Amino acid sequence: ETGVTQSPTHLIKTRGQQVTLRCSSQSGHNTVSWYQQALGQGPQFIFQYYREEENGRGNFPPRFSGLQFPNYSSELNVNALELDDSALYLCASSVGQGGLSPLHFGNGTRLTVT
Amino acid sequence: GESVGLHLPTLSVQEGDNSIINCAYSNSASDYFIWYKQESGKGPQFIIDIRSNMDKRQGQRVTVLLNKTVKHLSLQIAATQPGDSAVYFCAENLITGNQFYFGTGTSLTVIP
Repeated sequence: ETGVTQSPTHLIKTRGQQVTLRCSSQSGHNTVSWYQQALGQGPQFIFQYYREEENGRGNFPPRFSGLQFPNYSSELNVNALELDDSALYLCASSVGQGGLSPLHFGNGTRLTVT
Repeated sequence: GESVGLHLPTLSVQEGDNSIINCAYSNSASDYFIWYKQESGKGPQFIIDIRSNMDKRQGQRVTVLLNKTVKHLSLQIAATQPGDSAVYFCAENLITGNQFYFGTGTSLTVIP
């Protein structure tokens, strides 16, 4: 069974730039959620994708956007990067929408905005 | 909004002792809870979950207790080992919801 994989593992960007992070979900999982984890904090929900549509969004501005593909992989896009966007971005896959099953996380992408 | 908090930010235990990590949650409507372990440089790893129709659930060396009256969740780790050193998060959700709310985490250090 293949777990959740994320790429790249680390990324350095300049303020104002755009970034795309990628995620492959665990086999058998059809839902992908993205979380942002600031240093020393718990993960915060960005949004969830189910059947290629956004299925809920946390308190993040529209410059955070995403996609889910037919094979259930997903992308997180962030436009107009700000210094405060520096964080660990975690992708998690699960089965079905809602809180029916636990999230299985990848190891994240560490984004640094300078 | 909902908040999930932890009573202690750090915990140190001797190898072989039992560990207890506590978590308070604020949303009385939450009905699904998960404990995660996060090691340095890695994503959160699922440990054990519990639904609100249960008070206790056991796994391998771990037990989760849920007290809905006082909105309290705890994780007990038996015979703590050095490999248990990590940050532990509790997370809550509504079964009908789509986002989990995480606490700040408790850092567990196991002293050999």
